[in-house]
Amino acid sequence: EADIYQTPRYLVIGTGKKITLECSQTMGHDKMYWYQQDPGMELHLIHYSYGVNSTEKGDLSSESTVSRIRTEHFPLTLESARPSHTSQYLCASSEGLEQYFGPGTRLTVT
Amino acid sequence: AQSVAQPEDQVNVAEGNPLTVKCTYSVSGNPYLFWYVQYPNRGLQFLLKYITGDNLVKGSYGFEAEFNKSQTSFHLKKPSALVSDSALYFCAVRDGGGFKTIFGAGTRLFVKA
Repeated sequence: EADIYQTPRYLVIGTGKKITLECSQTMGHDKMYWYQQDPGMELHLIHYSYGVNSTEKGDLSSESTVSRIRTEHFPLTLESARPSHTSQYLCASSEGLEQYFGPGTRLTVT
Repeated sequence: AQSVAQPEDQVNVAEGNPLTVKCTYSVSGNPYLFWYVQYPNRGLQFLLKYITGDNLVKGSYGFEAEFNKSQTSFHLKKPSALVSDSALYFCAVRDGGGFKTIFGAGTRLFVKA
């Protein structure tokens, strides 16, 4: 198992709330990623980072933002959650070609 | 643009039988190809990759994959399936000169005892 952690694992919140999904890795990887995945479906890249102070938007339009102040930490923030944000969010990191994934955060917005 | 297709939503196989999960890809440059597995309520786990060299790549848990350049395919195989292999399998491709990895839609594998 790779050393990449996500908290919380499950979150149920009301519409309009601000939330931050945490992702940390202890492998010293420069590259990190956030994917959105509906249960049992394909992954969609929403944000990625080449390293500290580097963030880019992915292929899927997202109302979330990310930051990368430290190598090991790549949090994702939703300023105002909506029911359409209900999904699973997977964080990953890489040094070489393959990616190492965290266990995911399953978000439900009511 | 790069893309990957997994033509089967679901594959059913009896325990002990060989299994194949299909994947085809499209890239403009040299392909880097990957297989990942996802168990329920878990993130994806890397199984194997093809970069260059031998067309038959061996990976974790007894899985292997065969790269076929002429058919632009990278099918995942295992000689003898286990019930514990039941999971969601994702094929992924990256253009050798690029940064992004594109994932397929996934194939659900059911292995019956």
